[in-house]
Amino acid sequence: DIHLTQSPSSLSASVGDRVTITCRASQIISRYLNWYQQKPGRAPKLLVYAASTLQSGVPSRFSGSGSGTDFTLTITSLQPEDFATYYCQHSYSTPDTFGGGTKLEIK
Amino acid sequence: QLHLQESGPGLMKPSETLSLICTVSGGSTSDSRYFWAWIRQPPGKGLEWIGTIYYSGVSYYNPSLKSRVTLLVDTAKNYFSLKLNSVTAADTAVYYCARFGGSPHFGELLGGYFDSWGQGTLVTVSS
Repeated sequence: DIHLTQSPSSLSASVGDRVTITCRASQIISRYLNWYQQKPGRAPKLLVYAASTLQSGVPSRFSGSGSGTDFTLTITSLQPEDFATYYCQHSYSTPDTFGGGTKLEIK
Repeated sequence: QLHLQESGPGLMKPSETLSLICTVSGGSTSDSRYFWAWIRQPPGKGLEWIGTIYYSGVSYYNPSLKSRVTLLVDTAKNYFSLKLNSVTAADTAVYYCARFGGSPHFGELLGGYFDSWGQGTLVTVSS
């Protein structure tokens, strides 16, 4: 199985900050890496697919990059509604696995 | 607008069989562009993929659960379902159904993503 390691596991930031979350795969997965946002009590929401393509309707302050084994999700100018937990997920092979999550909290 | 809705028991006893249904509206389970999936999340923990099924019935399972899981799809009634045998407390989780699509390789899972999710249903296993 391909293992995804997210870092940091938690992060405190302020409104207006720029933050970067990293996802590292245990083997090369090309660009088959997706990012999701989850708020408490809600289902995850797709933000970025294929490493860098923004899902329709997602604000442009979100961006993804990377290929191979190392990927990043960047949020520029944090908004209050961005405080949530973020997960990466690969679709290179089954089982589809998710990273452990990064909880983004208000400082 | 696609809508997915999970339904099933909220409380179960150990050793019972969990049965969940995901009703699809605003879209079709027979649409060959998409697969249909189940994902779960234990309270306070991360996401775990359970399995994915195509309209044809071809299914893929997480090896960690494969011996206990069966996915089915009913394209006539536009729903898909999950059965999980011999549940234990470790199966307590919010269960989500989701649509999986977007693969650049038609009919394959490679490169796809979960683009629409149900609201989730909490299943608690307790004696």
